[in-house]
Amino acid sequence: EAGVVQSPRYKIIEKKQPVAFWCNPISGHNTLYWYLQNLGQGPELLIRYENEEAVDDSQLPKDRFSAERLKGVDSTLKIQPAELGDSAVYLCASSPGEKGGNEQFFGPGTRLTVL
Amino acid sequence: GESVGLHLPTLSVQEGDNSIINCAYSNSASDYFIWYKQESGKGPQFIIDIRSNMDKRQGQRVTVLLNKTVKHLSLQIAATQPGDSAVYFCAERLGKLIFGTGTRLQVFP
Repeated sequence: EAGVVQSPRYKIIEKKQPVAFWCNPISGHNTLYWYLQNLGQGPELLIRYENEEAVDDSQLPKDRFSAERLKGVDSTLKIQPAELGDSAVYLCASSPGEKGGNEQFFGPGTRLTVL
Repeated sequence: GESVGLHLPTLSVQEGDNSIINCAYSNSASDYFIWYKQESGKGPQFIIDIRSNMDKRQGQRVTVLLNKTVKHLSLQIAATQPGDSAVYFCAERLGKLIFGTGTRLQVFP
């Protein structure tokens, strides 16, 4: 079974430029998460989707970050404009949902470097 | 800042020995706890979980202990192997998952 797929794996951009990350969750997983992970720290939740609905986006900096999951399957996370402090690994995770279990399966992440 | 993040607590063990990784969690209302393993360049990987109504759970070579009185969680790895080398995170669930800082496990021959 394929795991969570993320692309790109690495991205280097200059500050003030836009950037987008893509995530394809495990097939059949209704719940999708975007996390931010700074070096040496644990992941921090940015947004959680149940199907196509964002049910928890309280930690998403909405002035520059946006996300979408239009058809309830894959998702994109966008930053516009990027700032130096946005350099981090952006992780996507998915889980079956309440009826199928809450275990979260993580993708490999996208490492963003903002210069 | 970034320099603080580089200084992860590190546990060095000899191959074959048992490892114990500790974690303090923050909220007594958390109802579920998970240990994750993260290898370099990869996302966190589920190891074992425990619900708040339990104090011990065993898996294959791993055991998680939960002490709610002092809000402490530990992960025991039996017969540590080189493949166990990674950063280990505990996470508590309070609505969402809240991850701890992480401990780097180094296994030497």
